[in-house]
Amino acid sequence: DQQVKQNSPSLSVQEGRISILNCDYTNSMFDYFLWYKKYPAEGPTFLISISSIKDKNEDGRFTVFLNKSAKHLSLHIVPSQPGDSAVYFCAASQNNNDMRFGAGTRLTVKP
Amino acid sequence: DSGVTQTPKHLITATGQRVTLRCSPRSGDLSVYWYQQSLDQGLQFLIQYYNGEERAKGNILERFSAQQFPDLHSELNLSSLELGDSALYFCASSPSGGALETQYFGPGTRLLVL
Repeated sequence: DQQVKQNSPSLSVQEGRISILNCDYTNSMFDYFLWYKKYPAEGPTFLISISSIKDKNEDGRFTVFLNKSAKHLSLHIVPSQPGDSAVYFCAASQNNNDMRFGAGTRLTVKP
Repeated sequence: DSGVTQTPKHLITATGQRVTLRCSPRSGDLSVYWYQQSLDQGLQFLIQYYNGEERAKGNILERFSAQQFPDLHSELNLSSLELGDSALYFCASSPSGGALETQYFGPGTRLLVL
């Protein structure tokens, strides 16, 4: 039961350009969405979140956009840096229920 | 360093065996979560404990069980292991387990069942 889907397993961008990572969900009751970043041999680390009452949240180079009607969210990284190379997981939760994660997208930022 | 520790880092065992994975949450965090990440899969939520009590259950098999002790560390017990149980097992913690709280993840335990 994949309620959160990241359909692109990998993405490669040039340093300085924008990285756009996409995530789709099926459960319209999700009310909180998060992005986690994961480096090899480490656990995921929280990056940015957005509540369903908003459509945009920005934190430095990272912006998350939420389109509730399309059940779609995206993470924009601009400008992309080589240190951003990692696996990015999208996650969603409803009320106090368990968080559902996507399969992840491996981002490679080339110098 | 998230402040969440997990032991062991790696574990190799045989089918049919039983293993115990251990997690120590961040100082002050009362809630512990367990996740499984199989190859090319997202993180699958297994179970959550809050202050020693089970709070939420996800896709946890009956062969798996967990508990949280009075000192708030948690253990995940996996028994009658099968090849398909080979995965990365992550523990995460948060202050009180609320939906809007950030979960802080440990480095994971890599389990290989041969």
